[in-house]
Amino acid sequence: SAVISQKPSRDICQRGTSLTIQCQVDSQVTMMFWYRQQPGQSLTLIATANQGSEATYESGFVIDKFPISRPNLTFSTLTVSNMSPEDSSIYLCSVAKGLRAFFGQGTRLTVV
Amino acid sequence: AQSVTQLGSHVSVSEGALVLLRCNYSSSVPPYLFWYVQYPNQGLQLLLKYTSAATLVKGINGFEAEFKKSETSFHLTKPSAHMSDAAEYFCAVSDGGNEKLTFGTGTRLTIIP
Repeated sequence: SAVISQKPSRDICQRGTSLTIQCQVDSQVTMMFWYRQQPGQSLTLIATANQGSEATYESGFVIDKFPISRPNLTFSTLTVSNMSPEDSSIYLCSVAKGLRAFFGQGTRLTVV
Repeated sequence: AQSVTQLGSHVSVSEGALVLLRCNYSSSVPPYLFWYVQYPNQGLQLLLKYTSAATLVKGINGFEAEFKKSETSFHLTKPSAHMSDAAEYFCAVSDGGNEKLTFGTGTRLTIIP
C-alpha cells in the first residue's frame, strides 16, 4: 500500500499568483500522477511525473502553466501558475504501485 | 458523507465471458457516479459517468453501467471480455457540485485466455 500526504488541503488565492501543491508518499514509487477535478466534473489527468525526467503532460496542459517537480522517488510538487478563476478546482496527487492506485486527499483551490 | 464499496478486490473471467464489477454507493444527496480504469503503469481514465440523466450509461470500450437507486448500485458490465480489459477498475462517487470524488478500493480484473 501507499500513504500519500498532500498539502495544502485548501487555499484561496488571488488571480495572477501561483500556488505550489506538495505530495509526499511513504514509500518509493516510480510514477506519480497529478489530476484536476473541476466543479461538477470528473477527474482529468494533468501530467505524469517520473523521477529523473521531465513530466509528461496530457493534451490541454502545458509545463509553463503547471510546472511539476519530481526530485526523488517519494515527493512531487505541482505549481499552478498565473492563476485565474478558471483554475478553481480540486487538485489530486496519485501514485501507482503496479496495478494499484492510491490517492492524496486533494487540494481545494479557489481563485478570486 | 459519501462512500463507495466495491465488492471483490479481484475478479477473473474467461475471454469472451460477461464482465460484472460491482459497486454500491452511499450518498446523502443524488449522486454523480463514475467508473475509472487504470491500465498498468498508466493514470486513471474515465470509462463512464452518471449525472442524473439516463440510468443506463454507455462508456468507452464496450462498457456500460446501470444506476439503480433502489439498490444504491452502479455495477459495471461488458458482454464479452477481451484480453485488453485486464486492468484495475475504480468506482467513484461525488455529491456533485464542488464535492470531490470518493473512490472505491478498486477491483483488479484478470482475463483468462
